[in-house]
Amino acid sequence: DTGVSQNPRHKITKRGQNVTFRCDPISEHNRLYWYRQTLGQGPEFLTYFQNEAQLEKSRLLSDRFSAERPKGSFSTLEIQRTEQGDSAMYLCASSSSPEKLFFGSGTQLSVL
Amino acid sequence: KQEVTQIPAALSVPEGENLVLNCSFTDSAIYNLQWFRQDPGKGLTSLLLIQSSQREQTSGRLNASLDKSSGRSTLYIAASQPGDSATYLCAVSPGNTPLVFGKGTRLSVIA
Repeated sequence: DTGVSQNPRHKITKRGQNVTFRCDPISEHNRLYWYRQTLGQGPEFLTYFQNEAQLEKSRLLSDRFSAERPKGSFSTLEIQRTEQGDSAMYLCASSSSPEKLFFGSGTQLSVL
Repeated sequence: KQEVTQIPAALSVPEGENLVLNCSFTDSAIYNLQWFRQDPGKGLTSLLLIQSSQREQTSGRLNASLDKSSGRSTLYIAASQPGDSATYLCAVSPGNTPLVFGKGTRLSVIA
């Protein structure tokens, strides 16, 4: 499978715990994006990497959120001290140009 | 700040009908516009991408149009099928910056 892969598919955690999600982009894509989507809403941009450089971060990305893309390959998104408001689908996308993004199936986070 | 609005929020039609989904955006300075499909609990699949210099794109039973000056796009689905049931999202690219999405139209095609 050469698509964008996200793990885990589902994560249930208790408030205050830390969680980490992983995204493996399409291998030749140098751009990687993280989006967050809540029920009934469109995806909202969180952050963007070109190769290993994090080029843009949304104001939605509070200091509890951190993203990395070591060596410009896979990426991780960590949320520290989770809150119930963090419950959402976290989507990763990759591309080789700004034009066409390929999305993964997402990680559904539920914070109890 | 770019804002994208999709109307209607939900739509239910009998199988075989032709239908139109609407998308509007506030800033006409866009690089391109894309329509995506999202099945429940899943990621997004790109359906059509229209460059700012284009007026429409077609793929099978789908046709998307773009009127950049008025800030509008439509997605036309011909001869709808139950398998078309999904949420359809419109997104604009302001340039070398991330996509801005609408909230989507939830489509149900009844057999």
